[in-house]
Amino acid sequence: SQTIHQWPATLVQPVGSPLSLECTVEGTSNPNLYWYRQAAGRGLQLLFYSVGIGQISSEVPQNLSASRPQDRQFILSSKKLLLSDSGFYLCAWSVLPDQPQHFGDGTRLSIL
Amino acid sequence: SQQGEEDPQALSIQEGENATMNCSYKTSINNLQWYRQNSGRGLVHLILIRSNEREKHSGRLRVTLDTSKKSSSLLITASRAADTASYFCATDPYGNNRLAFGKGNQVVVIP
Repeated sequence: SQTIHQWPATLVQPVGSPLSLECTVEGTSNPNLYWYRQAAGRGLQLLFYSVGIGQISSEVPQNLSASRPQDRQFILSSKKLLLSDSGFYLCAWSVLPDQPQHFGDGTRLSIL
Repeated sequence: SQQGEEDPQALSIQEGENATMNCSYKTSINNLQWYRQNSGRGLVHLILIRSNEREKHSGRLRVTLDTSKKSSSLLITASRAADTASYFCATDPYGNNRLAFGKGNQVVVIP
């Protein structure tokens, strides 16, 4: 069966520090991968999606970047975090269009 | 980009009652999906309804879709305390799975 792992679950970082969040999927090949951010009490905002290794599409301009070095690995990064980067970050995968997305348990990021 | 919008935002009901949530959207869609999120967790997919479908059932869940009104509803029948969660609708305008999520409905089921 397919599983998705996100880590860390919780992260507290100072303003200006770098960021690396990792997401891996097991049990499937060539998934579409997604990074979302959820502000407190809000819906999800799609940040990045990837249809293959090295293929990244950004949905909104921001202080973050994403990379996909391997088929089932998706990384969210920042060189210098801002206070506005605080939030709940969720990774998801899907296999085909017109099919559900499957989410990880998320990373709660707090910027001090 | 297109946004689903749920209504009402918060709902508190007694166990055993039914809960209904609505979602509206602005442009044409390929499909509409409903997800549940327990506090502090990731989203769990509930139902996907395609644009050529009008109603879909899954256990105690019933989803309707009215493309002429650009709206959908999620009905949870005979609610349980475990149904306490936030419920989100998401639209897929182009069939490429780039979803646009609404702000969510918080449902509290009182035992």
